[in-house]
Amino acid sequence: AQSVSQHNHHVILSEAASLELGCNYSYGGTVNLFWYVQYPGQHLQLLLKYFSGDPLVKGIKGFEAEFIKSKFSFNLRKPSVQWSDTAEYFCAVGSSGGGADGLTFGKGTHLIIQP
Amino acid sequence: DVKVTQSSRYLVKRTGEKVFLECVQDMDHENMFWYRQDPGLGLRLIYFSYDVKMKEKGDIPEGYSVSREKKERFSLILESASTNQTSMYLCASSPEGYNSPLHFGNGTRLTVT
Repeated sequence: AQSVSQHNHHVILSEAASLELGCNYSYGGTVNLFWYVQYPGQHLQLLLKYFSGDPLVKGIKGFEAEFIKSKFSFNLRKPSVQWSDTAEYFCAVGSSGGGADGLTFGKGTHLIIQP
Repeated sequence: DVKVTQSSRYLVKRTGEKVFLECVQDMDHENMFWYRQDPGLGLRLIYFSYDVKMKEKGDIPEGYSVSREKKERFSLILESASTNQTSMYLCASSPEGYNSPLHFGNGTRLTVT
């Protein structure tokens, strides 16, 4: 079974600081990787995804993530955060072996940006 | 834009009651999912369905069942609600294909007293 580990449960940063949220997964096969974001009071929405190809993927709102296969990692980055980035961030993994069997999510990282 | 609508934003039920959580999507998606979200535990998959009348257990199906009689509607049923089922329940849908991005509803916060 696959699992996802997010390193930090709570992160507090000041505006303009750089952000990196860690995500590691365990799965022996080929995976598809996702970052979702949940802004306060809103539904979960997709930030970015990696299926294949360039391991550096860019998402919405200036976010990017790098897939490092040898480290089983898919860390989320943003060079300069804004107050509006305050949200909960979830890393998720799905196996590409077949079937629409849903995603496995990490426990989430609650990010607070201080003005 | 895909819309996933969950019938209730907040529900309060008593222990032992039968509870129905309804979810409707308007984009003709094949796949639908029910997750529960708990602080510190993230999202955990309860059940999913990849076609009408088809259902598959997720990671934590105990105490739950589902129904998918129409493509657009996916219901989660708590046969006899218990206090440990107090949680935020999230419905999601995705188009056909492996690991297509999920589109989530706003969630139903269920409290069982």
